Amino acid sequence: GAGVSQTPSNKVTEKGKYVELRCDPISGHTALYWYRQSLGQGPEFLIYFQGTGAADDSGLPNDRFFAVRPEGSVSTLKIQRTERGDSAVYLCASSARTAYTGELFFGEGSRLTVL
Amino acid sequence: GDSVTQMEGPVTLSEEAFLTINCTYTATGYPSLFWYVQYPGEGLQLLLKATKADDKGSNKGFEATYRKETTSFHLEKGSVQVSDSAVYFCALSRGDSSYKLIFGSGTRLLVRP
Repeated sequence: GAGVSQTPSNKVTEKGKYVELRCDPISGHTALYWYRQSLGQGPEFLIYFQGTGAADDSGLPNDRFFAVRPEGSVSTLKIQRTERGDSAVYLCASSARTAYTGELFFGEGSRLTVL
Repeated sequence: GDSVTQMEGPVTLSEEAFLTINCTYTATGYPSLFWYVQYPGEGLQLLLKATKADDKGSNKGFEATYRKETTSFHLEKGSVQVSDSAVYFCALSRGDSSYKLIFGSGTRLLVRP
């Protein structure tokens, strides 16, 4: 498994529940990104980690969304009190360093459905 | 704010046909431009890029030229194959936040044998 791995691939939950989505980046990649892709749209930036710290979380839509990367590798995106509008594919990507070249390596995504 | 607009799909072509997928952008300054591709069952992957005006990015027979005067970055291929069937995304990033890609809504390409 040399690529970015995301789990679960599909998650169905009820409105108001708490959800965690996991991302395992490419080994050695220090930069990690979360994007969200709604139906019929392109991915939208959520948050960027360099190492363990969130260098830019300006894309998180509100305070129900939070992400961590405690050891500088695996990251978890956490969504509290889910709403139907949170339904989307959540994409994780990584790169060897801040992607000045623009090349991000994406996982296949976690599809979240909130009923 | 910055944005990317690309032609709606799906685009359906026969094998060996010529492909153009239009992409235009709105951005301040001098963004870098990208085409990403998503094959069925796979994650997005970088297809090609251009970082300054008049640059041409190319890969796997695909080409796109950064046209600042028309703010465009159209994707072209002279002869498509069935294996090119995928969703194509045009994107930009700015130097001050190069990790923050701004994507278009994607164009699905279906190539028939």
